[in-house]
Amino acid sequence: AQRVTQPEKLLSVFKGAPVELKCNYSYSGSPELFWYVQYSRQRLQLLLRHISRESIKGFTADLNKGETSFHLKKPFAQEEDSAMYYCALRGSGAGSYQLTFGKGTKLSVIP
Amino acid sequence: DGGITQSPKYLFRKEGQNVTLSCEQNLNHDAMYWYRQDPGQGLRLIYYSQIVNDFQKGDIAEGYSVSREKKESFPLTVTSAQKNPTAFYLCASRATGEAYGYTFGSGTRLTVV
Repeated sequence: AQRVTQPEKLLSVFKGAPVELKCNYSYSGSPELFWYVQYSRQRLQLLLRHISRESIKGFTADLNKGETSFHLKKPFAQEEDSAMYYCALRGSGAGSYQLTFGKGTKLSVIP
Repeated sequence: DGGITQSPKYLFRKEGQNVTLSCEQNLNHDAMYWYRQDPGQGLRLIYYSQIVNDFQKGDIAEGYSVSREKKESFPLTVTSAQKNPTAFYLCASRATGEAYGYTFGSGTRLTVV
């Protein structure tokens, strides 16, 4: 079974401070990991995926297979980063048709 | 303008009644999904469909039913058998071959009164 754990329901940081949203996963094969974001009154949207190794809106995330983690990081938080963040996993093989989401972390950036 | 549309945005239902949530997409996506979003629970998969006239149960299918008679449409019926139906429901679609490219609707908030 595949599982995604986001240990923090809420994370509050001051503007300009570094941000790290934690994500750990459980999967026996080679997963694909993603971060989705939901800003207030907006649709859930893809932020980034590990396979592309990109930086979006200053956020990065590295897949650490040894620690089974995919933490989302940003060196300097901005007020517009306040949103709900979901880590998601796509497995391989028979389960590859769906994403498994974590419970989400609400990021609040304090001005 | 391509996209995925959910209607209505807010829905109220009396206990014991069935209600159907609409999800329509004009993206020509083959796969469609229904998720339920509860505070502190994240998104949980209710049903999904990879092609027309075929659908599969997700993790929390009990008390729900779906149909996929057309590629563009994937309505979700919340039946009276669903014990805790008050929630925010999200529909999503995905093109074949783009396993990560989920497009989400804006959601329907269902409240049982």
